Amino acid sequence: FMLTQPRSVSESPGKTVTISCIRSGGNIGSNYVQWYQQRPGSAPTTVIYEDYQRPSGVPDRFSASIDSSSNSASLSISGLKTEDEADYYCQSYDSTNAIGVFGGGTKLTVL
Amino acid sequence: QLQLQESGPGLVKPSETLSLTCTVSGGSISTRNYYWGLIRQPPGKGLEWIGSVYYTGSTYYSTSLKSRATISVDTSKNQFSLKLNSVTAADTAVYYCARHTPFVGIAARGWFDSWGQGTLVTVSS
Repeated sequence: FMLTQPRSVSESPGKTVTISCIRSGGNIGSNYVQWYQQRPGSAPTTVIYEDYQRPSGVPDRFSASIDSSSNSASLSISGLKTEDEADYYCQSYDSTNAIGVFGGGTKLTVL
Repeated sequence: QLQLQESGPGLVKPSETLSLTCTVSGGSISTRNYYWGLIRQPPGKGLEWIGSVYYTGSTYYSTSLKSRATISVDTSKNQFSLKLNSVTAADTAVYYCARHTPFVGIAARGWFDSWGQGTLVTVSS
């Protein structure tokens, strides 16, 4: 299956932005979804795991949801800060074929 | 704290084999219910999962790379390795090692929870 994300989104500081991740092939609720943040020159780090869990140290400005009607996952970032500017990737897996799948990534610009 | 470190040649010639080793420290590679994966990222592009290995030697590969990739584990050295043969310029990428929870079974969560810093491998003559 594939995970499709918008290539880029932009929003102003202090606002809220939402990044979508649409699953094509299979049910979005069948496998957990993770979200990673990647700043230039750095490895990805987790902002959301197992659909909506936040690792310790990730602020509660980051939240996520699953929408079975649109077969998609979403990452929301509220109270945007310039430091949130980064690439964001959704990721899931295929339990039948034991395959990991990443979305194409979304570049978030905070301006 | 778990750390993963990639090592290997930064330059590989076309048609040759890319070899990469990931060394795990601060934890055991033989920990149950954790897999060890390779992910790559071509310059300016997104993340691509290559494959994963369990400490028992069981392996999973992406459909697009399974014909060229081999991942192995050496529990005595706390390392796992990737060999990718017949490389072309399209294999130029930053290669990451990462630990993840299973994709299959009752413990399936599929979360890449620890990553190495990544190493750039360039394919060029």
